[in-house]
Amino acid sequence: KAGVTQTPRYLIKTRGQQVTLSCSPISGHRSVSWYQQTPGQGLQFLFEYFSETQRNKGNFPGRFSGRQFSNSRSEMNVSTLELGDSALYLCASSLYRYLVGGRADNEQFFGPGTRLTVL
Amino acid sequence: AQKITQTQPGMFVQEKEAVTLDCTYDTSDQSYGLFWYKQPSSGEMIFLIYQGSYDEQNATEGRYSLNFQKARKSANLVISASQLGDSAMYFCAMREGRNTGNQFYFGTGTSLTVIP
Repeated sequence: KAGVTQTPRYLIKTRGQQVTLSCSPISGHRSVSWYQQTPGQGLQFLFEYFSETQRNKGNFPGRFSGRQFSNSRSEMNVSTLELGDSALYLCASSLYRYLVGGRADNEQFFGPGTRLTVL
Repeated sequence: AQKITQTQPGMFVQEKEAVTLDCTYDTSDQSYGLFWYKQPSSGEMIFLIYQGSYDEQNATEGRYSLNFQKARKSANLVISASQLGDSAMYFCAMREGRNTGNQFYFGTGTSLTVIP
């Protein structure tokens, strides 16, 4: 079974531009979550999509948005890029939305990430 | 309050020795899950081990074991027989049982260096 894929792997943008990152979850997984990882703030939850609906959102400005398609693939968009948006953006997929019994049911599988550099 | 606290920014261990990475958590939920992930320099998060709050026995996965002390709210990772390939960042994470979906809370991580 293929893992979580993210494209592109690396991206360089300039301030003020916008960017779209893509994530394809593991086949059968309907939950896709996005995280931002920076040296200063660590791993921070951006949002979660399940069945094409945003179910949960972290504390990020409205410049960060996302969507999920009927095939569970997800995109996140950052508009009006700022220098502080430079980060590793990680996507993760899960089988279930809620905590259930058993390890395999609760695991969140991560993609390789997209490293965004804003100049 | 921080949901997950990792107090060791960096750790060193001799090859073939065991090492313990500390993690404490904060939640009012009775049902929650605790995870450890390894992140090599490549950036990908690799799942290591999981402990459910209702699991009575400590979780083990090969050379990894989780020392779960519920009353102390700690979930320390023990790596036995360290290998050079274990050098990486290690993150402790928690998922709560309430209706917060798949939001994982991560600690700040511990950088582990295995010395030959």
